[in-house]
Amino acid sequence: QVQLVQSGAEVKKPGASVKVSCKASGYTFTGYHIHWVRQAPGQGLEWMGRINPDNGGTKSTQKFQDRVTMTRDTSISTAYMELSSLASDDTAVYFCARDGNDFDYWGQGTLVTVSS
Amino acid sequence: EIVLTQSPATLSLSPGERATLSCRASQSVSSHLAWYQQKPGQAPRLLIYDASKRATGIPVRFSGSGSGTDFTLTISSLEPEDFAVYYCLQRSSWIPNFGPGTKVDIK
Repeated sequence: QVQLVQSGAEVKKPGASVKVSCKASGYTFTGYHIHWVRQAPGQGLEWMGRINPDNGGTKSTQKFQDRVTMTRDTSISTAYMELSSLASDDTAVYFCARDGNDFDYWGQGTLVTVSS
Repeated sequence: EIVLTQSPATLSLSPGERATLSCRASQSVSSHLAWYQQKPGQAPRLLIYDASKRATGIPVRFSGSGSGTDFTLTISSLEPEDFAVYYCLQRSSWIPNFGPGTKVDIK
């Protein structure tokens, strides 16, 4: 069965970086894009960007493009999202999602808390 | 950027009632629209893709309709587990984006 398993919760200080992993199983990792979506406490869903695991190509919104780095390691079927220059308003749950029929499978989410 | 508007913001209904949720796009997204259900502390769950196709394992009480700029998610008879927040997502442009959500709560 398709599964996306994300890394655990993180607490970071303002100005630091965080790297979240998303390990895929149950399907051909290079066959589907992986998207990153975040959700601030009590708020809605915000798309951040996506990576093509086959060739490593990425796209992200202008809001994040200077701070987000998306990579993958095909040998272990894992995608990564690194967000730099963290501020308090980056406190959120970060999700990865597979792009099958739209975002058909999601990771469980990773809570990133930014606090001094 | 395509903006999605969902209405109502909150829908208060009783189990067994019919729920009708709306999603409107600021410009045509053709049929490139999906619906998600999210419960507290959980990841979103895909319900409907391509405006009207039920995702794998989704009960038949969930149905989607519409094209262009106006879309509807209908839950024919609410079950206790259906009380949640529902989001629409457009995939027409290379920047996907979500609507603000509709909360379906128990009356």
